[in-house]
Amino acid sequence: QVQLVESGGGVVQPGRSLRLSCAASGFTFSNYGMQWVRQAPGKGLEWVSVIWYDGSKQYYADSVKGRFTISRDSSKNTLYLQMNSLRDEDTAVYYCARDNFVGFQDVWGQGTTVTVSS
Amino acid sequence: QLVLTQSPSASASLGASVKLTCTLSSGHSSYAIAWHQQQPEKGPRFLMKLNADGSHTKGDGIPDRFSGSSSGAERYLTVSSLQSEDEADYYCQTSDAGILVVFGGGTKLTVL
Repeated sequence: QVQLVESGGGVVQPGRSLRLSCAASGFTFSNYGMQWVRQAPGKGLEWVSVIWYDGSKQYYADSVKGRFTISRDSSKNTLYLQMNSLRDEDTAVYYCARDNFVGFQDVWGQGTTVTVSS
Repeated sequence: QLVLTQSPSASASLGASVKLTCTLSSGHSSYAIAWHQQQPEKGPRFLMKLNADGSHTKGDGIPDRFSGSSSGAERYLTVSSLQSEDEADYYCQTSDAGILVVFGGGTKLTVL
């Protein structure tokens, strides 16, 4: 079945870095764009980034632009999010999602928790 | 600016129907949206993509109790024959050509 499994979350100090991974299975990974979406404690969903199916384009929310980098490895069916210069406000559950219909998520992972704290 | 507006809360009785609303900002009334459900302590689940003309594409396994409709800048999600497991947060979401993705603030649905 179609599945997305995130990993790499944890507790990190402000200013440090963390890399999240999302392993995809059950579909042809290289045919789909992929997204990262986050949810701060008690808050709503916030879009973070999208990467096109072939990796040729990446777009970011203003809140993470210049600090986060999305990438993918189709040989490993894996999506990544490199997060640098982390801030307290980056604390959230991070979800990866398959991008279908151009810009719309149709499959979600279960999420991985990132806590930025000194 | 592309913005989606949702009421923070809604409630309806077990077995009844409820209609949730998502409003697109001025100048964006032709945009499609998606509805996502998030049950307590779970990740989101895609319900459907809803076009401006009311046509929609549902996610795998989504019951017929969930339906969508459109009118102008308004997009609706109707849940019929409400069940206890329908108590959840419902988010609408849209995109500007796949370059910018926007979520509404979410509606917390309580089943009485």
